[in-house]
Amino acid sequence: AQSVTQPDIHITVSEGASLELRCNYSYGATPYLFWYVQSPGQGLQLLLKYFSGDTLVQGIKGFEAEFKRSQSSFNLRKPSVHWSDAAEYFCAVGAGNQFYFGTGTSLTVIP
Amino acid sequence: GAVVSQHPSRVICKSGTSVKIECRSLDFQATTMFWYRQFPKKSLMLMATSNEGSKATYEQGVEKDKFLINHASLTLSTLTVTSAHPEDSSFYICSARDDRSGQSSYNEQFFGPGTRLTVL
Repeated sequence: AQSVTQPDIHITVSEGASLELRCNYSYGATPYLFWYVQSPGQGLQLLLKYFSGDTLVQGIKGFEAEFKRSQSSFNLRKPSVHWSDAAEYFCAVGAGNQFYFGTGTSLTVIP
Repeated sequence: GAVVSQHPSRVICKSGTSVKIECRSLDFQATTMFWYRQFPKKSLMLMATSNEGSKATYEQGVEKDKFLINHASLTLSTLTVTSAHPEDSSFYICSARDDRSGQSSYNEQFFGPGTRLTVL
C-alpha cells in the first residue's frame, strides 16, 4: 500500500539557518511527489513537484527538493530560513487517482 | 492558471442545520474533484472523490448520508453537511484535477483555500 512518512513532527530552526525536512514514501511505481506549505487557517500552497527528469527540483520561496529513488525519499531543503517560513509542511505522493499525504512537519523559526 | 475556489471560507451554524460548501475550478474543467477534511494540527484525510455526472465515491468510514456530494457540472462540486453537529466542526478542503492535463501531470491536484466549519 502507498504511504508517506514525515519522521519529524516538529522542527525548530534559527532564522538564517539551513533547513531540511524529511519525506519517505512507499509506492511501487514511479511516484509523483509534491511538497505543500500551509499557514494557520489557510489552504495548501504548492512549493514544488517532481514528475520526472532532473532529480533536484527548484520551487518557490527558495525551496528545493531532491528525489532519491534508492532511498525512497524526497527531502525538502532551504539554505537560509526566514521567519515567514514558519508553517506546516506536507509531503504528498500522487498515485493513480489519489493523493497520499504525510502527517506534516511543523516548522518554528526563532529569531 | 489552475485556480480552485471555495465558498464560504468560514461558516458558523447551529447544531441540526445543514451547510453547503461549494468548490469551483475557475479556469479549467474538472471531471474529478476531491473533498478532504483536516483536524487541528493533523494531515488531510480524503473523504470522497466527486465525479461529474455520477455518484461520489466515499472513503471507508465516511457517512455518505451525512456528507452529501453533488458534482453537477465540470466546474462545480458541492459538499453538504446534513444535520451538522459539533463533531463535524473542521476544516474542509477541496481539490480538482484538470481534465486537460497530460499524462505527466495527471496525478496533480489543485487545492482550494479551505472552508472552516464551526457547529455550535
